[in-house]
Formats: sequence, structure tokens, C-alpha cells
Amino acid sequence: QKEVEQNSGPLSVPEGAIASLNCTYSDRGSQSFFWYRQYSGKSPELIMSIYSNGDKEDGRFTAQLNKASQYVSLLIRDSQPSDSATYLCAVNRGGGFKTIFGAGTRLFVKA
Amino acid sequence: GAVVSQHPSWVICKSGTSVKIECRSLDFQATTMFWYRQFPKQSLMLMATSNEGSKATYEQGVEKDKFLINHASLTLSTLTVTSAHPEDSSFYICSARLRSGGSYNEQFFGPGTRLTVL
Repeated sequence: QKEVEQNSGPLSVPEGAIASLNCTYSDRGSQSFFWYRQYSGKSPELIMSIYSNGDKEDGRFTAQLNKASQYVSLLIRDSQPSDSATYLCAVNRGGGFKTIFGAGTRLFVKA
Repeated sequence: GAVVSQHPSWVICKSGTSVKIECRSLDFQATTMFWYRQFPKQSLMLMATSNEGSKATYEQGVEKDKFLINHASLTLSTLTVTSAHPEDSSFYICSARLRSGGSYNEQFFGPGTRLTVL
């Protein structure tokens, strides 16, 4: 079992729709959860961090965390073609441990 | 804030030469930096963790004598690919951790260095 699992996609949504990206993790001691966006040929960019159960909203992005289910998700509202990228889920248990990255989900937003 | 730079952004070299890549945290001190490699259409692969003032910790399967890492200051880490070969051609990305411990551990990535070995 991978430590951080994501559906590789591609996930295709029409422009203006909500894109829902999901991630599960295996380490129950995980404390910090991150979503990165990576455009083709570029390095990852941190877009959301979440540390406690529930929802965290930032503009069109909402991160959701459920530690009991070991599940974290990212919702992108009003998806735009510019949102087309690979989204990486990352998890850290704190205390100086390294961050574990998922393999990423490719998102395509169709104009 | 939390800007990480990397230099050079791309490099082409002949087989057998060594290439040094620099990673700098521009507006914060990074006690820990990370080096990743990514092949086309593949996942990020962590190569090593670099702590300021101490030896780097390499991931399994990464040759420490081939990929030399130095983290001499809180804002600079370097990766040297020694005796590069075509199979070392890849996208090398560094990242710096904003804060360790507690519930932070945000990592910020540099723009990456594309290495092509002829």
C-alpha cells in the first residue's frame, strides 16, 4: 500500500464546474496536509495547507480533511482552463519527518 | 514570501563532466532542504534531505558519491552531479522547508533545473 494514494486521472471537467480531487494516506500520525499544483514542465507550487479536521477555504479552493478516515480532498470551484495541471497531495507527520508526496492527479478543464 | 531560487534553470553538458546546481531560500532561513528528480510524466522522486551543517541523508538507491550535496548555510544548498551520463538527464528540483516540527513543515519548491547530458 502506498503511503499517499491519489487517482492518477486524468480527471476531466468542463469550465465552470467543480473539480474534486481526492487523496488517502496510511500514516495515522500525520499532522500536516498539503496540496501542490504542478504545471507541465514546471516545479510544484503550494496552493493549500490544512492541519485540522474540516474545511479550509481560500478563494476558489477548498481543502477538506478527515483524519478519522485518513482522507484529504481539494475542491476547485468555477474551474478554469488555467487550472489544468497535476495536483499533488502531500502529507507530513511533523517532528522533522519528511513530507510524503502522492503521484498526483492530472486535471483537465475543458473550455 | 517563501521564495526559493535555483540556478541554473537549464544546463547541457557532455558526458563525463560534473554539473553543480544551486538552491537558495531568498527570504527565509531553511534548516532543511530537499532535492528531487523528476523524469518526464513521472512522479517526484526524493533523492536526499539536506540539513545545514551536516551530511545529507540519501534515499535508498541514490548514489551519494555521484550526487554530492552540500548545505553550507541556512540559505544555500548545492547538488553536484559528478561524471554525468545521459541517463542522469532529468528535471532536478530543490525545495526548502519553512519550519520543522509542530504542524507546519510547508515546503516551497525552486523552479527546477533541466539537465541534459549529451
